[in-house]
Amino acid sequence: QVQLQESGPGLVKPSETPSLTCTVSGGSISGYYWSWIRQPLGKGLEWIASISYGGDTNYNPSLRSRVSISLDSSKNQFSLKLRSVTAADTAVFYCAREIRRGSGNYASFFYYNYLDVWGQGTTVIVSS
Amino acid sequence: QSALTQPASVSGSPGQSITISCTGTSSDVGTYKRVSWYQQHPATAPELIIYEDTKRPSGVSSRFSGSKSGTTASLTISGLQPEDEADYYCCSFATTNTLFGGGTKVTVL
Repeated sequence: QVQLQESGPGLVKPSETPSLTCTVSGGSISGYYWSWIRQPLGKGLEWIASISYGGDTNYNPSLRSRVSISLDSSKNQFSLKLRSVTAADTAVFYCAREIRRGSGNYASFFYYNYLDVWGQGTTVIVSS
Repeated sequence: QSALTQPASVSGSPGQSITISCTGTSSDVGTYKRVSWYQQHPATAPELIIYEDTKRPSGVSSRFSGSKSGTTASLTISGLQPEDEADYYCCSFATTNTLFGGGTKVTVL
């Protein structure tokens, strides 16, 4: 049974660059995409970024300039850095395993995904 | 891309059936695209309950069912139970981005 566990700094000051790590246990990090999602208190889910075992990365266009995602297969971990944080970045951050597949035919082919395993979340509060 | 559109809230009495809609565009909830649904109870992580429009992961109650028509996906909860009171999010993949709906709060009256 694959399990994910997030770790992060908890409280950070505005303009800092916190780093979050997700540790994968009970299974291999290879063969999947891995994602970060955040949820401001009382609000909805927002996808941040994904990375594949091979290093393919995707970013939310609204956050692309401030985030970077990386993966360390030797530690079965993947990480997120969020630069120049403000109070608006205060949220619960979740990591998740992403299943990504293709569908269609030679004329129309698309990828789709779903997030089948989630961590319990870690809260990041941005405050001076 | 904009978030997928869901109603803010849906309510029903125990035993009733309710349906939550999720409206997108041909770029995210169209042909060959597949929608997933997540249930989130307060102060807990989301949980996958429907994937590839209609499939249920092992262990998810058969009272949950998904469907899709055109650019609108739907989640139906049959035989509503008190433990179904939660937030529900639809999700789809558009080009290289993952999009969530705004979420629907389900209240069991």
